[in-house]
Amino acid sequence: DAMVIQNPRYQVTQFGKPVTLSCSQTLNHNVMYWYQQKSSQAPKLLFHYYDKDFNNEADTPDNFQSRRPNTSFCFLDIRSPGLGDAAMYLCATSRRLAFQGYNEQFFGPGTRLTVL
Amino acid sequence: AQKITQTQPGMFVQEKEAVTLDCTYDTSDQSYGLFWYKQPSSGEMIFLIYQGSYDEQNATEGRYSLNFQKARKSANLVISASQLGDSAMYFCAMREGGSTSYGKLTFGQGTILTVHP
Repeated sequence: DAMVIQNPRYQVTQFGKPVTLSCSQTLNHNVMYWYQQKSSQAPKLLFHYYDKDFNNEADTPDNFQSRRPNTSFCFLDIRSPGLGDAAMYLCATSRRLAFQGYNEQFFGPGTRLTVL
Repeated sequence: AQKITQTQPGMFVQEKEAVTLDCTYDTSDQSYGLFWYKQPSSGEMIFLIYQGSYDEQNATEGRYSLNFQKARKSANLVISASQLGDSAMYFCAMREGGSTSYGKLTFGQGTILTVHP
C-alpha cells in the first residue's frame, strides 16, 4: 500500500547531540512537510519542500534543517537539540492537483523525540 | 489572530450517540479548504473529511459529515453512531489560497473526544 513512513518511531538523544529523523513516501507526491507537535498542542509547520524547492517557515529556529535528496525521501536534522525540542515530529505529503489545488495531506506515524 | 478556533477542549459522548465538534475559521481568501483529522493516542494523523469553499453541499464520509456554514465561517464535524474507537484528539485545519500556499495547513488546538460505553 502507498504510504508515508517515518523512522525511527521513537528517538532518544542527548542535549546538544545532533539527530536526524527520516521520512519516506511511496505516494510520489511532490510536496513534503515537517511538523513539530508538542504535547497536547496543534501541529506546527516547520518547513516544506515543493519538489526540490525548500520553504522555511519564518519562525522555524535555525537549529532545524532539512534535506530532500529525491522525491521519496526527506530528512529533518536537529543540529543541537535542546530540552524544548522534545516533541512528536510528523512528516506529511500532498500532491498538486489540476487547477492549482492540492489534495489532502497524508501523514506518517510520527517520530517521538526525547531529549535527555 | 487565531485562524482556526476549536472552542471545546474536551467532549464526552455515549456510545452509539451522535456528537458535534465545533470549528470556526477566519480567512479573507475566497478559495480555501477545510479538513478534519483524527489523532489517536498512538500519534498518527488520520484524514477524515474535506470541504472546499466552493462546494455547495456538505461533505460526508461514512459516519462523518461536515456542517459547513460559510456565512458564519464554521465547519463543524458531526460523528454519527459513536464508537469506542472514536476516542481520540480531533483537529480542524484550513488550507488557504491557491498554488502559492503549497497546500499548507493551519490547525486548530484540537478537541479530545471520549466515547463512553
